[in-house]
Amino acid sequence: NAGVMQNPRHLVRRRGQEARLRCSPMKGHSHVYWYRQLPEEGLKFMVYLQKENIIDESGMPKERFSAEFPKEGPSILRIQQVVRGDSAAYFCASCTGVGEQYFGPGTRLTVT
Amino acid sequence: QQPVQSPQAVILREGEDAVINCSSSKALYSVHWYRQKHGEAPVFLMILLKGGEQKGHEKISASFNEKKQQSSLYLTASQLSYSGTYFCGTEPFYTGTASKLTFGTGTRLQVTL
Repeated sequence: NAGVMQNPRHLVRRRGQEARLRCSPMKGHSHVYWYRQLPEEGLKFMVYLQKENIIDESGMPKERFSAEFPKEGPSILRIQQVVRGDSAAYFCASCTGVGEQYFGPGTRLTVT
Repeated sequence: QQPVQSPQAVILREGEDAVINCSSSKALYSVHWYRQKHGEAPVFLMILLKGGEQKGHEKISASFNEKKQQSSLYLTASQLSYSGTYFCGTEPFYTGTASKLTFGTGTRLQVTL
């Protein structure tokens, strides 16, 4: 049973470009969470989605960031017009809706 | 508000024990514990639900004191593989379904020979 998949694992973008991060949850999991981790810091919640629904986006910056989890395909976290402060590791986690969350390997975004 | 973990860092010799604490200023429904090695994803260790239940497997166990809004992770007879940063993640209330986790400040644990 494959775990949570994320791609790309590493992404380099220049300031002003767009970044698209993808997350495929574990088989049987319909709930996806996105977290951001700055170097040497903890994980900060960004957004919680179920298929075709955003359940909680209280951790998302109001501008430039958006997330979706379509009926078919992976969840996507989109960052428009990236700035240096967006450089971080972005992790997604999935669960069945009850209990533990399982994390993917993360996407390390570097903005130059 | 972010849970506070203590200690911030600890160095152990192989075979020694450690306790990591996680304290919240809010009432909690559940506490999740994860270990993260440098450059890797957090790995789930265990979940504790409201009720003061103690859980464990092998040499890692945890307790949850809902009155004190505190959880503790116990590592006994530590092994080199225990090295990493330990995070607690908390849920403030039961919504009928899983909700976001608010992660603690982290505890760096290093086990040496």
